[in-house]
Amino acid sequence: GESVGLHLPTLSVQEGDNSIINCAYSNSASDYFIWYKQESGKGPQFIIDIRSNMDKRQGQRVTVLLNKTVKHLSLQIAATQPGDSAVYFCAGKSGGSYIPTFGRGTSLIVHP
Amino acid sequence: DGGITQSPKYLFRKEGQNVTLSCEQNLNHDAMYWYRQDPGQGLRLIYYSQIVNDFQKGDIAEGYSVSREKKESFPLTVTSAQKNPTAFYLCASSLRGDRGQWGNQPQHFGDGTRLSIL
Repeated sequence: GESVGLHLPTLSVQEGDNSIINCAYSNSASDYFIWYKQESGKGPQFIIDIRSNMDKRQGQRVTVLLNKTVKHLSLQIAATQPGDSAVYFCAGKSGGSYIPTFGRGTSLIVHP
Repeated sequence: DGGITQSPKYLFRKEGQNVTLSCEQNLNHDAMYWYRQDPGQGLRLIYYSQIVNDFQKGDIAEGYSVSREKKESFPLTVTSAQKNPTAFYLCASSLRGDRGQWGNQPQHFGDGTRLSIL
């Protein structure tokens, strides 16, 4: 199976700074990873995904980096804004598996 | 505007009562899922369904039941056998992956139902 975990339960940043949220996974056969943002009282919202044949993928103000050697991925948010305050989850799926495994989440707090 | 609708937003269960949580999607997604979220925890899979009239147990299916009579709908019943039902319940759906391979598509979530015991 797959085990996915986030490094820090809480991350505090100043508005305008760049944020980096880290995630580790256990199964070297994992082939697909997804980052979600969850605001209070709402369901997780898809941010960005990356397949294992890639090292980096960019979206609007977000970048996901995948390091398969150390089984680590990160979500970078540029110029963090108060609206980015939420819990961020990474999820990973092992090759041949149908269902992703979710980590516990990192709470991002953006101070104005 | 396509999406996933969960209802009700808040639900209270009395002792010995079964309650049903609704999940409807108009995204034309094949697969649907139910997750349970407890404070400070990740999402735990209760049940999932790949096609109509078929579903599989997830990691914590005991005390829950589902049906998939229509592609758009995947209701979850929390039975009286579930002794600790207080949680935030999330429904999700996803497309079939490329070339018929399941899994390499993100899940899209509804806004959840918060269930509490009276």
